[in-house]
Amino acid sequence: KQEVTQIPAALSVPEGENLVLNCSFTDSAIYNLQWFRQDPGKGLTSLLLIQSSQREQTSGRLNASLDKSSGRSTLYIAASQPGDSATYLCALGAGNMLTFGGGTRLMVKP
Amino acid sequence: DGGITQSPKYLFRKEGQNVTLSCEQNLNHDAMYWYRQDPGQGLRLIYYSQIVNDFQKGDIAEGYSVSREKKESFPLTVTSAQKNPTAFYLCASSISAGLAKNIQYFGAGTRLSVL
Repeated sequence: KQEVTQIPAALSVPEGENLVLNCSFTDSAIYNLQWFRQDPGKGLTSLLLIQSSQREQTSGRLNASLDKSSGRSTLYIAASQPGDSATYLCALGAGNMLTFGGGTRLMVKP
Repeated sequence: DGGITQSPKYLFRKEGQNVTLSCEQNLNHDAMYWYRQDPGQGLRLIYYSQIVNDFQKGDIAEGYSVSREKKESFPLTVTSAQKNPTAFYLCASSISAGLAKNIQYFGAGTRLSVL
């Protein structure tokens, strides 16, 4: 059974810092990997989707990478802003299911 | 204004009561899903539906039931058999079956608490 782990569970950084969020998984037989953002008490917003044949995807200040051989994905956020404060979740797509990690709660301080 | 609408935003359940959470989408998506999120944790799949009149159990279906009579609607009933229903419930949809290949779009969620 797929297990998805996100470390750290919480992260606090000063504004302007570049940062990396980590996602590790146990089964490399996946269709894709998605990164989502969740604001407190709200639903999820899809940030980036990486297909299993791809190595990375970029959107603005966000860059996500996928290394299936090591079972890892990273979400890189450049020049962080207070508006980036949220919980970030990764999810692995395989079979008919998405399996989610527990999320990293990010706080960017002004 | 396209999207997924969940209602109510907050819901309270009494002991032994069944409650129904609403999820409506106007994105013309075939597939719909229900997830449960507990504090500080990721999402766990309760049920999903790839097409009208068809649905499948996810990882934690016990104590829940669903129906899919219309493409736009996928209500979730939390039955009295669900002994620990307090959680945040999220509904999602995607364009088609083969859900893992498509981006899922999420509603704003319903927070269910037990009185």
